[in-house]
Parts: sequence; structure tokens; C-alpha cells
Amino acid sequence: KNQVEQSPQSLIILEGKNCTLQCNYTVSPFSNLRWYKQDTGRGPVSLTIMTFSENTKSNGRYTATLDADTKQSSLHITASQLSDSASYICVVSAQQAGTALIFGKGTTLSVSS
Amino acid sequence: DAGITQSPRHKVTETGTPVTLRCHQTENHRYMYWYRQDPGHGLRLIHYSYGVKDTDKGEVSDGYSVSRSKTEDFLLTLESATSSQTSVYFCAISESSGGEAYEQYFGPGTRLTVT
Repeated sequence: KNQVEQSPQSLIILEGKNCTLQCNYTVSPFSNLRWYKQDTGRGPVSLTIMTFSENTKSNGRYTATLDADTKQSSLHITASQLSDSASYICVVSAQQAGTALIFGKGTTLSVSS
Repeated sequence: DAGITQSPRHKVTETGTPVTLRCHQTENHRYMYWYRQDPGHGLRLIHYSYGVKDTDKGEVSDGYSVSRSKTEDFLLTLESATSSQTSVYFCAISESSGGEAYEQYFGPGTRLTVT
């Protein structure tokens, strides 16, 4: 069964610190992996999309890594800010049309001052 | 929110009543999706459309129907709302299917409460 598991479920860090969120998946055949940020009360917003051939992708202070062999991805946030407080969702796409996205349950990050 | 609007943004309705949620896009994207988001679950696909009058079921389609008569509008209908359909509903759009590395843009969501 295609699944996406994220850890930790929640995380609290101090402003200015770094953190890393994890994503493991069992989606086959793999097409691409996405990280989304979802602020409370809003829709998810894409941070990165990585295909099989990409193992690192950055978007400002966000850096995603992908190991397609071990089926793992991580999202590293550098020098966290209060505005980084949100849910971070890992999404994996299979090589098929339409219903291809499998969503993780998300990691809730709280950044405190 | 990438030219996507959802209406209404909030709705409270009674069990057994019909409800229609609307998604409108100004991006001319071919694919449109309806998801629901519930605590303890990832977003789950209800229905999607790959063109005008072309729709297909997703993972949790029971109790829902959709229609797409124009490229820009995708309607989600609950024929007879039940309390289990209390959720936050998100519309999304994309130029191509999720199997390709195209961005999927999400709307602001509709919070539906069925009492």
C-alpha cells in the first residue's frame, strides 16, 4: 500500500535554531516528492518538488533532500523564524494520472521566541 | 493563492440537506481537485477533473458528486450531508496530473460543519 510517514508529529524549537523534519514513503512507482507548508487556516503552499534524479533542492531557508534508494526525504529549516510556525506536509507522487498524490499527515512546527 | 477562490468559506448546515461548494480558478489549468482535510489524516482526494465534463473518483468519493461545465469552475455537491462530512475542503489546480512534476496550487479552503 502506498504510504507516506512523517516524523516527528510535532516539534517546538526556539527562534533562530535549525531543525530537520523527516519523511519516509512506500510509494511505487515513484515520480516526485513535494514538501508543502500549511499555515493555520490556510491552504498548503508548495516549498519544493523533487524528481527521482534530484537529491537536494533549496527554497530560501528551506532545504529538502531525497534519497530514492532508501525512500527517505528530509526538510531542513535554517535559522528558524516565528513565521515558520506551521504544518509541513510531505507528499509523494506515483507515476499515474489524476489521483497520484499521497499525503503525509504533516509535522506541526512551533517556533517560540 | 494562485488565482483560486472557494465559496462559501464557512458553512453550517443540518444533516440531510444538500450542500454545494464552488471552486473558481483564473489560471486556465486543466486539472482541478477536491480534497478534504481531517485531524489525524493527510489530505484525501474526493474527486478530480481533467477537463470540462471529465471527472473521476478519488479515495473518499462516497456521498459526493462533482461537476465541471466550464474550465474555471469545479463544483462539489453533498447530496445529503452527514455529520461525517464535517471537514475542511480544499480545491486545488494543476496544469498536469500529479504524476508529473507540476505544481499543485491550493485554494483557501471551506470549513463545513454538519449538525
